[in-house]
Amino acid sequence: GAGVSQSPSNKVTEKGKDVELRCDPISGHTALYWYRQSLGQGLEFLIYFQGNSAPDKSGLPSDRFSAERTGGSVSTLTIQRTQQEDSAVYLCASSLDVSGHEQFFGPGTRLTVL
Amino acid sequence: TQLLEQSPQFLSIQEGENLTVYCNSSSVFSSLQWYRQEPGEGPVLLVTVVTGGEVKKLKRLTFQFGDARKDSSLHITAAQPGDTGLYLCAGIVTSGTYKYIFGTGTRLKVLA
Repeated sequence: GAGVSQSPSNKVTEKGKDVELRCDPISGHTALYWYRQSLGQGLEFLIYFQGNSAPDKSGLPSDRFSAERTGGSVSTLTIQRTQQEDSAVYLCASSLDVSGHEQFFGPGTRLTVL
Repeated sequence: TQLLEQSPQFLSIQEGENLTVYCNSSSVFSSLQWYRQEPGEGPVLLVTVVTGGEVKKLKRLTFQFGDARKDSSLHITAAQPGDTGLYLCAGIVTSGTYKYIFGTGTRLKVLA
C-alpha cells in the first residue's frame, strides 16, 4: 500500500515478556518517528530516525525500550520485560525528511500488558 | 520539558454550533501543525502555520498562530458530526534537529 503500515494491530502480552512492534514507512521517506499514545490522549515522542544519522532517542522512557531501522526503511520498536504501564497505542509516522514536513501516521499497534 | 497544553480537553456540542480549541505553550516554535485523529487510526494533518500571526482557513476551520509563535487556536464554524474526533496540535522545534511536541489533545463530539 501507499501508506504507513504497522504490525501487529493488536498485541496482548504478559508482564515480563518482550514484544516487537513493526513499522513500514512510506517509500522514499527518510524520517521515521515512534510515539506512544495513552487512553486517546496526546502523543508522547519516543524516538526518531533521519537517514543515516544517529537516531534521536531522547524520548525513550527507559532502557527497556529500543528501536532500530534497517536499510533506512522498516523499523522495529522493542520493549523488553514489559510492564503494565507500557500498555498504550504505539504510533509510527514517516515524513519526507525532518524539515517540519507533514507526518504520515500508521494506524498504530495497541499493546496490552496483563 | 516543553509542553503544549490544549483546552478544553473534552467538548460536546450540537450540530451547527461554533467552537474554539486552544493550544498554549511557554516555548517558541518554528511552526505548528494541527492534526485530527479518528478512533483506530493515526492522526491526519489538517494545516501547518509558520509565521507569527498567520491565519489559515480550511473550509469551516480557521487556524491562527500566535504573534509570538507560542500558541495557536482552531475555530470551527457550524460544526458537523463529521468534525468529531481528537484534535492535536504539534509544535515543531528546530534546535539542531527537528522535534514535534504534541499537545494534550481535545476530544470533540458533535451531536446531530
